[in-house]
Amino acid sequence: NAGVTQTPKFQVLKTGQSMTLQCAQDMNHNSMYWYRQDPGMGLRLIYYSASEGTTDKGEVPNGYNVSRLNKREFSLRLESAAPSQTSVYFCASLQNEQYFGPGTRLTVT
Amino acid sequence: RKEVEQDPGPFNVPEGATVAFNCTYSNSASQSFFWYRQDCRKEPKLLMSVYSSGNEDGRFTAQLNRASQYISLLIRDSKLSDSATYLCVVNSPRGRALTFGSGTRLQVQP
Repeated sequence: NAGVTQTPKFQVLKTGQSMTLQCAQDMNHNSMYWYRQDPGMGLRLIYYSASEGTTDKGEVPNGYNVSRLNKREFSLRLESAAPSQTSVYFCASLQNEQYFGPGTRLTVT
Repeated sequence: RKEVEQDPGPFNVPEGATVAFNCTYSNSASQSFFWYRQDCRKEPKLLMSVYSSGNEDGRFTAQLNRASQYISLLIRDSKLSDSATYLCVVNSPRGRALTFGSGTRLQVQP
């Protein structure tokens, strides 16, 4: 039972490049989430998916898109990366408590 | 005003000390409350839920004051391994996600 897994762990992008962050959970949870964490800001919700086939915007959705591919997988896409998207990205799933993946450290130059 | 506010610290305390963290939340409709722990460059992990009657887990005690919209975490007999950032977390009635405070950093010193 791996819990919540994320790939990649680290990524450096140039401004304007695109990429997809992958997340998967093997706990059969309905709800999945993407957060970003910046120094002094805490975790801010980007998008979430309450169940397979549904997605909703969180606090900071601009510049991102998501796909809930199936119950296990929830991906986050940056279509045109900007330096302001330099951050640590956490995926999480929820069943009574929220379980987090190990994070993706993204730098946009 | 932030939905969840915490003193960022850092709190520097000696081993064996008792330390308390406070947190306030702005939405009176919030229903669930938690403390998470986050070690440096790691993901947050649930430390404990916070119940209206207050609850204790070993050296950790959490309390909730709904009237004042205030949550606290007390750590007794601090250990070096307690050094981490403690995140106050509140459920968001707007949606189904949790709202995180920016965290309070604790450094326990030998």
